[in-house]
Amino acid sequence: KAGVTQTPRYLIKTRGQQVTLSCSPISGHRSVSWYQQTPGQGLQFLFEYFSETQRNKGNFPGRFSGRQFSNSRSEMNVSTLELGDSALYLCASSLVPGAVYEQYFGPGTRLTVT
Amino acid sequence: SQQGEEDPQALSIQEGENATMNCSYKTSINNLQWYRQNSGRGLVHLILIRSNEREKHSGRLRVTLDTSKKSSSLLITASRAADTASYFCATDANLNRDDKIIFGKGTRLHILP
Repeated sequence: KAGVTQTPRYLIKTRGQQVTLSCSPISGHRSVSWYQQTPGQGLQFLFEYFSETQRNKGNFPGRFSGRQFSNSRSEMNVSTLELGDSALYLCASSLVPGAVYEQYFGPGTRLTVT
Repeated sequence: SQQGEEDPQALSIQEGENATMNCSYKTSINNLQWYRQNSGRGLVHLILIRSNEREKHSGRLRVTLDTSKKSSSLLITASRAADTASYFCATDANLNRDDKIIFGKGTRLHILP
């Protein structure tokens, strides 16, 4: 069974631009969560999607948004990029939402904002 | 504020020794999970322990959970160079009726040859 895939793996953007990251969950997994990881703040929860609906949201500004498609694939978008958005963005999938089962993480997208 | 806080922040031990990491959390939980992350990569799930469990084993890993103290520990026995990584605990924080998973900031473990 293929693991969680994220594209692109690396990205360099300029302040003010917008970016879209993609995540394909493990086949059969319907829950997708996104996390931002930085050295200073650690792993912070962005949002979780289940059955194309946002189920939970972390404490991030409205510039961060996401969506999930009918095939469970998910995208997150960051508009008006700021230098502080430079981070490793991790996507995780699980069978169902919550912590009942383990999450499977993708390799992440390393975003650098200059 | 972080739901899970790992302690220590960093740990260096000799290969073959045991490594112990601790995690404390603030609110009641249903489950607690431990993950490993190799440098700059995705996280790998290690163990899930439910709130009604006190101890769990998986190979060289032993996890304990003390809900009265709101803490958990991860013990890696007979450490190997390949164990060098960051280790995170994650809890399903029952905050505002949300059960989103909250990660701590992790313990960086370095195994010395």
